[in-house]
Amino acid sequence: EPEVTQTPSHQVTQMGQEVILRCVPISNHLYFYWYRQILGQKVEFLVSFYNNEISEKSEIFDDQFSVERPDGSNFTLKIRSTKLEDSAMYFCASSVDNHNQPQHFGDGTRLSIL
Amino acid sequence: QQQVKQSPQSLIVQKGGISIINCAYENTAFDYFPWYQQFPGKGPALLIAIRPDVSEKKEGRFTISFNKSAKQFSLHIMDSQPGDSATYFCAAIQGAQKLVFGQGTRLTINP
Repeated sequence: EPEVTQTPSHQVTQMGQEVILRCVPISNHLYFYWYRQILGQKVEFLVSFYNNEISEKSEIFDDQFSVERPDGSNFTLKIRSTKLEDSAMYFCASSVDNHNQPQHFGDGTRLSIL
Repeated sequence: QQQVKQSPQSLIVQKGGISIINCAYENTAFDYFPWYQQFPGKGPALLIAIRPDVSEKKEGRFTISFNKSAKQFSLHIMDSQPGDSATYFCAAIQGAQKLVFGQGTRLTINP
């Protein structure tokens, strides 16, 4: 069964450094998402992306965050200058279309900011 | 209005019993309600989902009951097994946009 893959599984970064989290969505999916989950808390929406544009973003997704689909398979989340509070699990998800189709999640990247 | 409230926060059920997790929402524009199962170290995996024009959906041991007038929906796990021990999240979505997740329920099935 096709799946969303994320790399790396764990990223440790010094505060203030830039980090790029990578995702390969399911190949025929057109809608892409990033979510994050702070330890012990619920999953929170960050951003949705379609047709090379951001469709919606949350209050969390400030100017330090950006997303990109650099080629036909990868979808990346960049945090320009990391803060301690960026420490969380980051999940990528994708869906085939925008009409109530399920979003399929990767296993996440654990980001630890020191 | 964008919140989905989930209860209980944790639940312990004996093997073979019925696990019930409840969720409530306020935004009547939500039109798709999935449940996700998450094991430690893994991403949320879609378990079952329902649309608001249906009052119940059953897949194997998992059933969603949906009460549109009360704006509530629940997950029932029949004949609960130790392998069902996980965190369960209800969620809601409007159109193609963001999933709004509940706070999660940590389910433990005792053998």
